[in-house]
Amino acid sequence: GAGVSQTPSNKVTEKGKYVELRCDPISGHTALYWYRQSLGQGPEFLIYFQGTGAADDSGLPNDRFFAVRPEGSVSTLKIQRTERGDSAVYLCASSSSVGANVLTFGAGSRLTVL
Amino acid sequence: GEDVEQSLFLSVREGDSSVINCTYTDSSSTYLYWYKQEPGAGLQLLTYIFSNMDMKQDQRLTVLLNKKDKHLSLRIADTQTGDSAIYFCAATPVLSGGYNKLIFGAGTRLAVHP
Repeated sequence: GAGVSQTPSNKVTEKGKYVELRCDPISGHTALYWYRQSLGQGPEFLIYFQGTGAADDSGLPNDRFFAVRPEGSVSTLKIQRTERGDSAVYLCASSSSVGANVLTFGAGSRLTVL
Repeated sequence: GEDVEQSLFLSVREGDSSVINCTYTDSSSTYLYWYKQEPGAGLQLLTYIFSNMDMKQDQRLTVLLNKKDKHLSLRIADTQTGDSAIYFCAATPVLSGGYNKLIFGAGTRLAVHP
């Protein structure tokens, strides 16, 4: 597509529930990133995919967080047993991994855990 | 790991120049970026500079890089009310995997008043 698409744009859930956030990157972009942005903070790196594989998942805060990209395009970030501290905007970005590696960001999915 | 710091707030009068400053810690960072975020929107790339450059100009934007001091600045000439937003600096330390991971600062909120 023309840009990075993220769904849902807003998600409200209850503590303890399971959540999936979807990212559809720019067509042809091999690199895909997930970031988390808490209120008043800069984006914090979570995980990076090159193709189908997670090349760097060092930013995932704990084992409740997991992400997949089974066909090297769309990615899903999965959060189990959500906690109030998971409330944030989850940003997805993609890039062609060439040269300056310019990341194009989606508008984000705002997650609110009650 | 890489740490990126920015001043949190800047207020300028419409028509004046704005200068937003950023420092980073990892001298291996190859590219440094400036992103803009308007309320409720995703991150928009403004400009970037390669680490072997001292300056880059793009219309009203001028980026200055002092690699010795690990200091980056963004100057916006003739600042307009539409420039009011949060500006994020990001650095890309070279990692063993051979890819660049953007590390963001906390953002500088620019307020433009008449």
